[in-house]
Amino acid sequence: DIVMTQGVLPNPVPSGESASITCRSSKSLVYKDGKTYLNWFLQRPGQSPQLLTYWMSTRASGVSDRFSGSGSGTYFTLKISRVRAEDAGVYYCQQVREYPLTFGSGTKLEIK
Amino acid sequence: QVQLQQSGAELVKPGSSVKISCKASGYTFTSYDMHWIKQQPGNGLEWIGWIYPGNGNTKYNQKFNGKATLTADKSSSTAYMQLSSLTSEDSAVYFCARGVIRGTGVMDAWGQGASVTVSS
Repeated sequence: DIVMTQGVLPNPVPSGESASITCRSSKSLVYKDGKTYLNWFLQRPGQSPQLLTYWMSTRASGVSDRFSGSGSGTYFTLKISRVRAEDAGVYYCQQVREYPLTFGSGTKLEIK
Repeated sequence: QVQLQQSGAELVKPGSSVKISCKASGYTFTSYDMHWIKQQPGNGLEWIGWIYPGNGNTKYNQKFNGKATLTADKSSSTAYMQLSSLTSEDSAVYFCARGVIRGTGVMDAWGQGASVTVSS
């Protein structure tokens, strides 16, 4: 199985600042079609996960442009610009390159 | 809008089975995969498998072979997951989620989660 390893944030992050969340995969997530099969989710306290980006850098419908995904084949970053209180929660990366689909263990973001 | 409404919390005994439902609305149920995901208290997310209601095809995480069975009822736009031979390790919140792009695992809408507690 592909192992997804997420970094830790130096919490809390002051409101208005930027935050970068990192994720590393044990295998390249680039498929032969050229797409990178990496998704990001946010799970706010007490809520279901919400899709933020897919194919590494494509924002999901309705997601703010303050969220941007980038990376290479095995190292990925989700950048959140001008963080707000509503951005607090746990962020998960997920690989969908091969089965079984696997998630990282999550990165908690707290806002000051 | 797309909505996935899951069944309520379950308290079940070890060794028994439980069936969780996920009723879809706001889209064509038979045209999208339905994924199931497990989340244990304080833990991350674990993918169980998907079902394509259009033809009943399924794909499972091997870890859940024999544990989870996915089905779908086209007439009621409802997906189901049955968990069998329950142990304390199956105590978790279970989510259903729509796969917006077939076969890719991109899950754009999630149910509210169904809590299963296994206890004697």
